[in-house]
Amino acid sequence: DGGITQSPKYLFRKEGQNVTLSCEQNLNHDAMYWYRQDPGQGLRLIYYSQIVNDFQKGDIAEGYSVSREKKESFPLTVTSAQKNPTAFYLCASSMTGVGETQYFGPGTRLLVL
Amino acid sequence: RKEVEQDPGPFNVPEGATVAFNCTYSNSASQSFFWYRQDCRKEPKLLMSVYSSGNEDGRFTAQLNRASQYISLLIRDSKLSDSATYLCVVISTSGTYKYIFGTGTRLKVLA
Repeated sequence: DGGITQSPKYLFRKEGQNVTLSCEQNLNHDAMYWYRQDPGQGLRLIYYSQIVNDFQKGDIAEGYSVSREKKESFPLTVTSAQKNPTAFYLCASSMTGVGETQYFGPGTRLLVL
Repeated sequence: RKEVEQDPGPFNVPEGATVAFNCTYSNSASQSFFWYRQDCRKEPKLLMSVYSSGNEDGRFTAQLNRASQYISLLIRDSKLSDSATYLCVVISTSGTYKYIFGTGTRLKVLA
């Protein structure tokens, strides 16, 4: 069954803690993306990667880090520098090329304790 | 001005009604357009792409107006299951191409 998986579904972070959100896809897509969604706002791009071992900052990269060591995996770390991390985090993937559709994972909801 | 703007709604309509949403975009160089559907606390899912000539998928019709820089989504014979938030997505090509999401229009279909 092809698709994108994200884990965990819910994640709790304590003050000063780094946490890592997992994103895996078996669609053979080259490009992967991380978005953050807050109530009443559109999806905002955190980081994206169009090829293994390369990634670019999006609009709100501060306080986040990523890696892309494998085509299938694009984990996102929310660092302690991110002062307002409570949000719904969505991972997406697509083929590269203009006009390609993005497909989303089920999301991770991050809450701060 | 936001790059992509949508009326947040909610649009409350009775079952069987026809409802239309618009989405305006500011970058005339935008190349591709999509409508996604997002249910509460779930991920967005592709509803349909929007082609220059307009396209239809069952009860759903999407239109693109490049001159006025907007896309539209028409839903005929609304069902209770159509209740969701509808996101418009525009791909702009300023440098590298970029997916820009609207904030979404919330639809509630009432029995």
